[in-house]
Amino acid sequence: EAGVTQFPSHSVIEKGQTVTLRCDPISGHDNLYWYRRVMGKEIKFLLHFVKESKQDESGMPNNRFLAERTGGTYSTLKVQPAELEDSGVYFCASSQDVGGSGNTIYFGEGSWLTVV
Amino acid sequence: AQSVTQLGSHVSVSEGALVLLRCNYSSSVPPYLFWYVQYPNQGLQLLLKYTTGATLVKGINGFEAEFKKSETSFHLTKPSAHMSDAAEYFCAVLSGGYQKVTFGTGTKLQVIP
Repeated sequence: EAGVTQFPSHSVIEKGQTVTLRCDPISGHDNLYWYRRVMGKEIKFLLHFVKESKQDESGMPNNRFLAERTGGTYSTLKVQPAELEDSGVYFCASSQDVGGSGNTIYFGEGSWLTVV
Repeated sequence: AQSVTQLGSHVSVSEGALVLLRCNYSSSVPPYLFWYVQYPNQGLQLLLKYTTGATLVKGINGFEAEFKKSETSFHLTKPSAHMSDAAEYFCAVLSGGYQKVTFGTGTKLQVIP
């Protein structure tokens, strides 16, 4: 069974440009999460989809970040325009069920973004 | 709000020595706790998790962790370190209505030959 896949694995862009990160969750997982780790700091929550709906987007840093999950399958995270401080690793994760059952959240390999 | 504290951003052990990575959490409700590992240039891999039941949890690669409610701790241990254990380890708690994982700041483990 395929895990959470992310694309691109690495991206180097100039300040002011746009980058779109894609995440394909594990098949059948309704929950999809985006996290990021900036400059070796802690891994921070960005947002959570349940199917195509945004359940919690409290971690989105500002309006330069836009996440979508059309059709409740894959998700994209667009950064426009990118700033230097956006450099870091963006992790996508997915889990099967909602609720306090201690479901495992599976993470992808991450998309490593460098803004120069 | 729930939070996780990992003591020591860097830990060095000799090959064959005991590995102990410390994690303390704060939670107003019974927590679900996790340890994830990130090897260089790779993603996050689940090592083990505690949900309910037995407080000593065994994970992959010989790691285990014990949930101690009285100490609000979930320390990760391995009896004998291997060179391949060199990685960054993250303690995490499931929070926000059990829908959001909150991570600690991570501990980099160095294994010295």
